[in-house]
Amino acid sequence: TQLLEQSPQFLSIQEGENLTVYCNSSSVFSSLQWYRQEPGEGPVLLVTVVTGGEVKKLKRLTFQFGDARKDSSLHITAAQPGDTGLYLCAGVGDTNAGKSTFGDGTTLTVKP
Amino acid sequence: DAGITQSPRHKVTETGTPVTLRCHQTENHRYMYWYRQDPGHGLRLIHYSYGVKDTDKGEVSDGYSVSRSKTEDFLLTLESATSSQTSVYFCAISGGLNTGELFFGEGSRLTVL
Repeated sequence: TQLLEQSPQFLSIQEGENLTVYCNSSSVFSSLQWYRQEPGEGPVLLVTVVTGGEVKKLKRLTFQFGDARKDSSLHITAAQPGDTGLYLCAGVGDTNAGKSTFGDGTTLTVKP
Repeated sequence: DAGITQSPRHKVTETGTPVTLRCHQTENHRYMYWYRQDPGHGLRLIHYSYGVKDTDKGEVSDGYSVSRSKTEDFLLTLESATSSQTSVYFCAISGGLNTGELFFGEGSRLTVL
């Protein structure tokens, strides 16, 4: 079973601060996704990374896939209250037969 | 946004009663999934389907069954609901099994008393 550990579990910051969320595993993933979920809604796909060392930017969000494809990070610059939500990482690998394994998520609160 | 609708969105039922949740998609995607989301456990896969009448178990399939008679509909059934099945259930679709790119419905909150 492939496991993904996210840290921190909870994060509360002031508007304008920077933050990084981590997603780690001992397993190799062929691709890794980041989702954002707001209360009462389903997760929404933010990005997919597939190449070791890959960096993708989505406005103030920067996603990185580790060189060994076992870990990933999400960095938010100048956080805004609208960034508040649950951030989930998920990975697809050979040992889970193409099905996504999810981390437990990081709950981010950005205070105005 | 992907066209996925779940019904009902909220349901309260009693232990021992059968419950069916419905997922309907308008995207003609081949793959459909049922997940449950619980505090401290993230999203866990219950069952998935890779085509009409083709389904398989996920990591937490005990107590659940599924059916897919049409491409657009994927049903999740709790034959005899238990309190441990109180959860938020999400349906998801994808265009390919190995892409990892899932599009989720808005969820169905089930409470079993």
